[in-house]
Amino acid sequence: GENVEQHPSTLSVQEGDSAVIKCTYSDSASNYFPWYKQELGKGPQLIIDIRSNVGEKKDQRIAVTLNKTAKHFSLHITETQPEDSAVYFCAAVRSGGSYIPTFGRGTSLIVHP
Amino acid sequence: DGGITQSPKYLFRKEGQNVTLSCEQNLNHDAMYWYRQDPGQGLRLIYYSQIVNDFQKGDIAEGYSVSREKKESFPLTVTSAQKNPTAFYLCASSSGGTNEKLFFGSGTQLSVL
Repeated sequence: GENVEQHPSTLSVQEGDSAVIKCTYSDSASNYFPWYKQELGKGPQLIIDIRSNVGEKKDQRIAVTLNKTAKHFSLHITETQPEDSAVYFCAAVRSGGSYIPTFGRGTSLIVHP
Repeated sequence: DGGITQSPKYLFRKEGQNVTLSCEQNLNHDAMYWYRQDPGQGLRLIYYSQIVNDFQKGDIAEGYSVSREKKESFPLTVTSAQKNPTAFYLCASSSGGTNEKLFFGSGTQLSVL
């Protein structure tokens, strides 16, 4: 089955800095890669996603890049703000199968004012 | 407002007791999921259901049971056979088919007395 590795487990940055979270996946048939943000005491929310036919996608201060050959994808957050502090999960989905996402273990991002 | 509602927010279980976590959605989604979240462990799939009256075991189904008698409801029972039930439980739904995006509830924190 699919295996998703996520690094780092904890990331501490100063407000205004950039943050990068990286994930690798094992199943070359995976073709959909969402990122979820979980604030304390809440459920995760989808913040951005990318499909395998696209190399990069941006939405304001966040972007995701995908390297299919190397089987890794990354979340980039620029100009970080304290409200970006949360746990971020990457996932990989094999469309055409059960569509059940396999999640990484999460990255706790702390943005210091 | 459309959404997914979990109750209760906090739940305590005594030794040998079964407890049931509620999950209701009004998004008209076909698929529903239960995840368990432990610190540093990410999101682990307990059970999922892609259609009413049908459900499948996930990666950690032992000690849990579910039912899907109505499209909008997917309750999870934590049985006495689950020896380490303390965790944050998340319910999610998706429209199913080729739509892989998950919508999560706010979670239930289960603790053992």
